[in-house]
Amino acid sequence: DAGITQSPRYKITETGRQVTLMCHQTWSHSYMFWYRQDLGHGLRLIYYSAAADITDKGEVPDGYVVSRSKTENFPLTLESATRSQTSVYFCASSEGLSGAGYTFGSGTRLTVV
Amino acid sequence: GEDVEQSLFLSVREGDSSVINCTYTDSSSTYLYWYKQEPGAGLQLLTYIFSNMDMKQDQRLTVLLNKKDKHLSLRIADTQTGDSAIYFCAESPSMDTGRRALTFGSGTRLQVQP
Repeated sequence: DAGITQSPRYKITETGRQVTLMCHQTWSHSYMFWYRQDLGHGLRLIYYSAAADITDKGEVPDGYVVSRSKTENFPLTLESATRSQTSVYFCASSEGLSGAGYTFGSGTRLTVV
Repeated sequence: GEDVEQSLFLSVREGDSSVINCTYTDSSSTYLYWYKQEPGAGLQLLTYIFSNMDMKQDQRLTVLLNKKDKHLSLRIADTQTGDSAIYFCAESPSMDTGRRALTFGSGTRLQVQP
């Protein structure tokens, strides 16, 4: 399917476990982003990537790790999940830094118990 | 996004106009955006405006930009129940401030009553 897909759609995990959220895009966009959405905070940037093998921290990177070995994939790993990481996570991609904006995936709702 | 502020909630009657407001802080932002999020879905780009424009109209949507006051608004004419959603404004990355990604407001939930 063309577009940007996230998996899983929903995930429940226990405190301390490692969990990886997947993001895949089919446009060969250079830029990819991970945001988390929390009530009252809107969307906050966790990490972004300008190209394969180039990643950088966003506003709230602590507790997260990313990689981008291929242009189309940008997985987000929570190394040791905490309850404060319960959130909805959105992946996005874009060709440039601004312009027509980003295309978002449908999100992953993560609950840490 | 602490740099971008929006009111949290707006309720209107079907057929009325809705005006959603946003203030931002980075005067070097090149573009300003409006996104729509329907329940259980990702964000969808509605419209955007280049920073050297004052107004942009797109069918039922009108975007007004006041650069002096750093104020952005989205007007939806003839609001329909299908417009019920959360609306986010966002400002573009800025090399001046080192921001490398869109910065979003906290979102305004629009409720349209029949």
